[in-house]
Amino acid sequence: GAVVSQHPSRVICKSGTSVKIECRSLDFQATTMFWYRQFPKKSLMLMATSNEGSKATYEQGVEKDKFLINHASLTLSTLTVTSAHPEDSSFYICSARVGQTTEAFFGQGTRLTVV
Amino acid sequence: AQSVSQHNHHVILSEAASLELGCNYSYGGTVNLFWYVQYPGQHLQLLLKYFSGDPLVKGIKGFEAEFIKSKFSFNLRKPSVQWSDTAEYFCAVGPGGYNKLIFGAGTRLAVHP
Repeated sequence: GAVVSQHPSRVICKSGTSVKIECRSLDFQATTMFWYRQFPKKSLMLMATSNEGSKATYEQGVEKDKFLINHASLTLSTLTVTSAHPEDSSFYICSARVGQTTEAFFGQGTRLTVV
Repeated sequence: AQSVSQHNHHVILSEAASLELGCNYSYGGTVNLFWYVQYPGQHLQLLLKYFSGDPLVKGIKGFEAEFIKSKFSFNLRKPSVQWSDTAEYFCAVGPGGYNKLIFGAGTRLAVHP
């Protein structure tokens, strides 16, 4: 299957700082990328959907000014957690797909810890 | 709002037992349906998917799922589980006309030898 790479896999940052997570589709062009947040022993909560070259669509309750998503090319999307707080500590997962009727491929996730 | 419900949070089976994991969704229109598996320490992988056609879908590793439109269900089945099937299983729905993929809460399956 297609490969989606997420970087970094783990990051620790200080409260108040910003951290950027990258999601790359390595061997295909992703028209759509999704960003999820996974709480311990919980499911993946969809944060936002981004299409290349356009603004991301955020789910209800997700602060778009806090979680900045950029999908500048067909192989790269970034999630920036701005002014991070300890409650932002979580596992963030991206996925990418081509079109709406194909499967989504998942990255390995990023464990963010805000101290 | 669209939602996906997985009825079983934890399932414990012995090897060779049969498996059925329930998944129901709330959306009245056309849907694309998926089951993903997450083995310990690994990322999500697709088990099977349904877009249209035969409602009985066969996936990898002997898994299958049946789409029952009238029940808004897409249950996952396997006739005989193995220890290596120990993992977390997620049902996901892509509501037609919406460019998103919504996940259920997941079912953690433990298979004992």
